[in-house]
Amino acid sequence: NAGVTQTPKFQVLKTGQSMTLQCAQDMNHEYMSWYRQDPGMGLRLIHYSVGAGITDQGEVPNGYNVSRSTTEDFPLRLLSAAPSQTSVYFCASSYGTGGREAFFGQGTRLTVV
Amino acid sequence: TQLLEQSPQFLSIQEGENLTVYCNSSSVFSSLQWYRQEPGEGPVLLVTVVTGGEVKKLKRLTFQFGDARKDSSLHITAAQPGDTGLYLCAGPSTGTASKLTFGTGTRLQVTL
Repeated sequence: NAGVTQTPKFQVLKTGQSMTLQCAQDMNHEYMSWYRQDPGMGLRLIHYSVGAGITDQGEVPNGYNVSRSTTEDFPLRLLSAAPSQTSVYFCASSYGTGGREAFFGQGTRLTVV
Repeated sequence: TQLLEQSPQFLSIQEGENLTVYCNSSSVFSSLQWYRQEPGEGPVLLVTVVTGGEVKKLKRLTFQFGDARKDSSLHITAAQPGDTGLYLCAGPSTGTASKLTFGTGTRLQVTL
């Protein structure tokens, strides 16, 4: 059972570079979300989607874009990487409109130098 | 904004000791979830508590939801090294899309 798959697992970027973090789920979940995890701050919501074609901002959306063209995929784009975006990024999916059990990927550790 | 504060932030104990982790908010939540995260992995759900005053047990872990549904606790009896990890509480926001708000986390280390 694949569940939620994130790629890559590790990434180093230079300031100003752009990149896309991939996320795919095979559970047919309507709700998908992206979080960043920083020491002492728990998980903070970046963007979320309640279904294909629908996205919305979370708590810390600046510097990130998302799109949801299919139920399965929810990529996160960093437009112009900054050192403040150094973090561990988690993609999650859940059944329904969110608020239920979240299934997480293994995370992407991103370092911006 | 519904905030969840967890305490303590760090806890280092020896195998066999008991411990309690707290998750507090000034807001009412319809339910609270507890996750455990191991190094290099994503969080994994342990339990969901729904009713005020509810107590759920998962082997040596006991979860309680406050009567007013503003707080929750996790008690571990006779901790083992396998309990080591980051414990996170989370609650759904109200509204059309119920976003999950996560607590700040408690990092537990259990040594032999």
